[in-house]
Amino acid sequence: NAGVTQTPKFRILKIGQSMTLQCTQDMNHNYMYWYRQDPGMGLKLIYYSVGAGITDKGEVPNGYNVSRSTTEDFPLRLELAAPSQTSVYFCASTTLDGRANYGYTFGSGTRLTVV
Amino acid sequence: GENVEQHPSTLSVQEGDSAVIKCTYSDSASNYFPWYKQELGKRPQLIIDIRSNVGEKKDQRIAVTLNKTAKHFSLHITETQPEDSAVYFCAASTRGGSNYKLTFGKGTLLTVNP
Repeated sequence: NAGVTQTPKFRILKIGQSMTLQCTQDMNHNYMYWYRQDPGMGLKLIYYSVGAGITDKGEVPNGYNVSRSTTEDFPLRLELAAPSQTSVYFCASTTLDGRANYGYTFGSGTRLTVV
Repeated sequence: GENVEQHPSTLSVQEGDSAVIKCTYSDSASNYFPWYKQELGKRPQLIIDIRSNVGEKKDQRIAVTLNKTAKHFSLHITETQPEDSAVYFCAASTRGGSNYKLTFGKGTLLTVNP
């Protein structure tokens, strides 16, 4: 299992440009999440999905969009990039069953700089 | 919604000493409490977790305790080593459902001095 794979690892965007951060997992996890982590700060939830076709906003969704057409993939779209979106972005996934809930598996992150 | 407070924000110890990081949570329905370690430039990785039906769990030099009445849980690292230096995050969640997500504390930067 590759786990949670994020691409690209690094990206520099100019103000106003758009891009898609890719996230895919091969663990058949139904729950997937996008977080951003600013320097020296904690993890802030952008969007999450509890299954294909279902997405919901987290605490900092403005300026981002997501889609979940398959169980495996959960891309994050940035439209009209702004310097405030300079951050490290982590994708994560998990599964639940009837007995217990579990922690997240994180991807390796995408370091985005908007100039 | 859930709110998780984590203290201290920074912690410096000498190699071989113990380190304790404390978290409190607000939602009495929370029942799962994982701890993550994040080394510089790396992804957060799960190091230990505890469920609400257990009061303490140990894994070698790491232990976690949970006090449901007081709504707080703690990470204990004994015989610290330089490779324990990292940012540690606590988190809390409720069981399942369409709204399942972890709420994270703001993190503790642990520095172990040789």
